Parts: sequence; structure tokens; C-alpha cells
Amino acid sequence: DSGVTQTPKHLITATGQRVTLRCSPRSGDLSVYWYQQSLDQGLQFLIQYYNGEERAKGNILERFSAQQFPDLHSELNLSSLELGDSALYFCASSVGTSGSLDNEQFFGPGTRLTVL
Amino acid sequence: AQKITQTQPGMFVQEKEAVTLDCTYDTSDPSYGLFWYKQPSSGEMIFLIYQGSYDQQNATEGRYSLNFQKARKSANLVISASQLGDSAMYFCAMREAGGTGGFKTIFGAGTRLFVKA
Repeated sequence: DSGVTQTPKHLITATGQRVTLRCSPRSGDLSVYWYQQSLDQGLQFLIQYYNGEERAKGNILERFSAQQFPDLHSELNLSSLELGDSALYFCASSVGTSGSLDNEQFFGPGTRLTVL
Repeated sequence: AQKITQTQPGMFVQEKEAVTLDCTYDTSDPSYGLFWYKQPSSGEMIFLIYQGSYDQQNATEGRYSLNFQKARKSANLVISASQLGDSAMYFCAMREAGGTGGFKTIFGAGTRLFVKA
């Protein structure tokens, strides 16, 4: 158990809908990262938040947005869902002090999203 | 642009033997970190080992070692004394500073390792 929790574990929805994925980082970790793992795109970095602020952005679609709340949990919002958004979405956390490239990231179990 | 290449989609190894999983990377940033993760069939991502771009010595963690050849831009994972439980997907990843104090991590396509009894 990494200490990172993600809810829900599974989510099935229809095209055009909007969903919210939730992540609680390990106690004491200030950084949260979101990743998407799909069969055709592999593992892709989406976005990083550190202590409530966006710090790095990857291949995140405009239909997707994220935020990190004062209690440090994070939510990833996916809207106007398409079939191709079906994937495993991981959240990871790290201590994340700025400038430390060697901070280990601890991954949550993931949320499997299926868009029908 | 940053890039991670894992050229072995699948590998077989006999139990108790050593195996090397290849990874090459491309970056123009002098400061970066290289990681290996294991993803068993259950789906979770497990951190295995880290190598910093300025580290002089190769990283080791138990049965895992990282063969870091900076000039060749390679970061191969060596698993010694393979066990049946090592059967999994293995991802090489590179982390770079992403501006505004953040970090971007890019992953390779992965290598699926099968350990034979």
C-alpha cells in the first residue's frame, strides 16, 4: 500500500458526460501528479500540482482540468468524454520540494475509466 | 524533445538468471532523473530504482541495479537472480524540470518480462 488513495476504482460512463476522479496523497506529500495509461498512448504525464498550485503540464487535453485543494487532495475533471478517454488514470504523490528531482513518486491504485 | 525508448516489447528469462532491460533516453537538459517502475498484472506502479544525472556511481537496490552510461544516454535495468514474481511490465522513465518548479515525467513504452520456472 503506497498510502495514496484514489476513488472511485472503476467508473463507467457514456460519451459526452463529465466525471471527477479524486486523489488523496500520502500524509506529508505536497505534490500530486496525474497520469493517463491507455493501450494506444501508453503512460502519459498530465499535470502536477504542488501545495495547491499548478507546477507542470504535460499532454493534458483542454477538456480535462485538475485542481489541488487546501487539504492537498486533488481532483481531475474530465468533460465531454470520448471513447478514446477510456484509460487507467493514476495519481502519484511526492514530498515534492522544489528542485529535488530524486523525490520518489508514490502511485495510487488508479481509477479505471470506461467510456461507452 | 525528451524521449524514452525501450526497444524490447517482451523478454523471457529463466528463473534464477540475470536479465537486462534496455532503456535509452534523449534530452538536452543537463539535470534529469531516471527511474524504473514495475507494473504487475494487478496494475499498480511500483518504484524500483532511481539514478540522477549527476550521480557518479550506478544505483543499486537489492536485486536491481541501473547500468547508467551517460555518454550513450542509456539507463539499463539489471535484475539479478530472477524470480517468478518478477514477471511484470517494466517502465523506464525520465524526469526533468518542467518550469515553475515542477517536474515532468515521460515514460517509455515498457518491456514485458516473463520469468520461466
